[in-house]
Amino acid sequence: EVQLVESGGGLVQPGGSLRLSCAASGFTVTTNYMNWIRQAPGKGLEWVSIIYIDGTTFYADSVKGRFTISRDSSKNTLYLQMNSLRADDTAVYYCAGDTVPNNADYWGPGTLVTVSP
Amino acid sequence: DVVMTQSPLSLPVTLGQPASISCRSSQSLVKSGGNTYLSWFQQRPGQSPRRLIYKVSNRDSGVPDRFSGSGSGTDFTLKISRVEAEDVGVYYCMQGTYWPTFGGGTKVEIK
Repeated sequence: EVQLVESGGGLVQPGGSLRLSCAASGFTVTTNYMNWIRQAPGKGLEWVSIIYIDGTTFYADSVKGRFTISRDSSKNTLYLQMNSLRADDTAVYYCAGDTVPNNADYWGPGTLVTVSP
Repeated sequence: DVVMTQSPLSLPVTLGQPASISCRSSQSLVKSGGNTYLSWFQQRPGQSPRRLIYKVSNRDSGVPDRFSGSGSGTDFTLKISRVEAEDVGVYYCMQGTYWPTFGGGTKVEIK
């Protein structure tokens, strides 16, 4: 059974940094496509970042230059380093895994990031 | 980015009756190679999204057969043949042919 579990969310001040983690079981983060998708409170879904099997990364324009996606094969864990956080980054951040790019086969329960003074 | 437009915004349905949600994309979702990467997701209250349908009409494992997807090019539809209480939630279409984008969501509720 595939399980993805996010952690690392919390309250951070504008301009601050946070690193999210996504621990995977039953699914290997380095031999599949991994994604971060976010949902602002009461709003819709926004794809944030993707890391391909070969390590190529992509970002939404809204986070480019501020967020970095990465993975650790030894821990089978996906990360999202978030810097220069803004109020409009406030959202539940979901980790999603794909066997084919851009499909969001599997989702974690999400972790809430709140950016506020 | 490709804009995904869903309608209606809200869909009150009587238990046991059918429901239909429309999704339109701002450009064709047919990828070179012939596949169309249009998926449907269900988000129940307080839960993370769950994919129901991928590549327009393929049901995911464990998804009841009362859910079906259809469409082509830029126009797509999700149908629920007989709505059950557990179907309450918000439904999103998503395209994966380009940088992935979601529709705004359709809230299904029981009348």
